[in-house]
Amino acid sequence: AQSVTQLGSHVSVSEGALVLLRCNYSSSVPPYLFWYVQYPNQGLQLLLKYTTGATLVKGINGFEAEFKKSETSFHLTKPSAHMSDAAEYFCASQGGNNRLAFGKGNQVVVIP
Amino acid sequence: SQTIHQWPATLVQPVGSPLSLECTVEGTSNPNLYWYRQAAGRGLQLLFYSVGIGQISSEVPQNLSASRPQDRQFILSSKKLLLSDSGFYLCAGGRVSLGYEQYFGPGTRLTVT
Repeated sequence: AQSVTQLGSHVSVSEGALVLLRCNYSSSVPPYLFWYVQYPNQGLQLLLKYTTGATLVKGINGFEAEFKKSETSFHLTKPSAHMSDAAEYFCASQGGNNRLAFGKGNQVVVIP
Repeated sequence: SQTIHQWPATLVQPVGSPLSLECTVEGTSNPNLYWYRQAAGRGLQLLFYSVGIGQISSEVPQNLSASRPQDRQFILSSKKLLLSDSGFYLCAGGRVSLGYEQYFGPGTRLTVT
């Protein structure tokens, strides 16, 4: 079964600093990969996705992620954190049987 | 794109009472539908998913059940709520043919007292 690993449940970043959230997947073939963001008491919103083609994927709100097959990684970055980036972020990959496999999430705190 | 509607937004129910949460989908036909639960600090737990009317797969044995009476309607139910059923419930929809991504509803915050 597919699985996704996100290390560090809480991530603190200073306003204006680089945001880096790590995601590693387990798969014998390149999967479809996703990053979602969740604001308090809201549903998940798709930030970006990788299917095929270009390995650097740009999403909403200035985020991007790079698919690296050799490292089985799909890390999420944003050059300069804003206060509005404070939220929980989930990495996901296609699982079996029409499902997505989600990581445990990273709670991002932005320090002014 | 798909829009997922859920209601109510918040719900407070006593232990032993029944539950019915409804999810409807707009903007697509024949979607796969999913119910997830988030407990504090525990990520997303897939409870049920459905690939069509009347077709329900259960991921975790528990006090809950799901039904899909119509193509774009997905219902989560319980006959008798437990304290452990408290959490944030999310409905999602997706289609494999559209790339596996799932669209999420706004969620229902359930507190069992």
